[in-house]
Amino acid sequence: GAVVSQHPSWVICKSGTSVKIECRSLDFQATTMFWYRQFPKQSLMLMATSNEGSKATYEQGVEKDKFLINHASLTLSTLTVTSAHPEDSSFYICSADGRNNEKLFFGSGTQLSVL
Amino acid sequence: RKEVEQDPGPFNVPEGATVAFNCTYSNSASQSFFWYRQDCRKEPKLLMSVYSSGNEDGRFTAQLNRASQYISLLIRDSKLSDSATYLCVVTQGGQNFVFGPGTRLSVLP
Repeated sequence: GAVVSQHPSWVICKSGTSVKIECRSLDFQATTMFWYRQFPKQSLMLMATSNEGSKATYEQGVEKDKFLINHASLTLSTLTVTSAHPEDSSFYICSADGRNNEKLFFGSGTQLSVL
Repeated sequence: RKEVEQDPGPFNVPEGATVAFNCTYSNSASQSFFWYRQDCRKEPKLLMSVYSSGNEDGRFTAQLNRASQYISLLIRDSKLSDSATYLCVVTQGGQNFVFGPGTRLSVLP
């Protein structure tokens, strides 16, 4: 089956630094990838939809200048949390459509802790 | 009203019990329905798709009621390993996947 690789799995950083998270589709081309954030005991919240070769579409309330998304190839999308603050600490997870556009394949997630 | 709603639980059940979860969705144009399972700090994993005719996979049975706009998941003979959060996912076709808040299940020895 389709595999999505996400790394790093864990990041601990100081407040004010930027953190980049990578999401790769390993055996298929993903024209669209999704980025989610999940706070403890809450559901996945869609942050943005990443489209290859074009600008990402951000959900309401998500700052596009803070959460930079780059989807430069059909197999790689990156999320950069710029000037991270403690309130950005969360579980970030990416996903990509399967070939039939009916199922989502998830990366393993990144736990970000900002000190 | 939220697009997809679930009882957050937790559902605490003994091993061997049968447990059922419901999920309601607000968009009558929704096309595809899924149940995902998520363990703590892990990615969601597809448990099963849900079809109008209902479908079964081992101890798991999923059903869809389009008229009432709800989806159900039944787990029979619960195992300790079934403890997780179960996410109801609805799509309006294409790439718009909407997640429910999840229902937490704890199966107790």
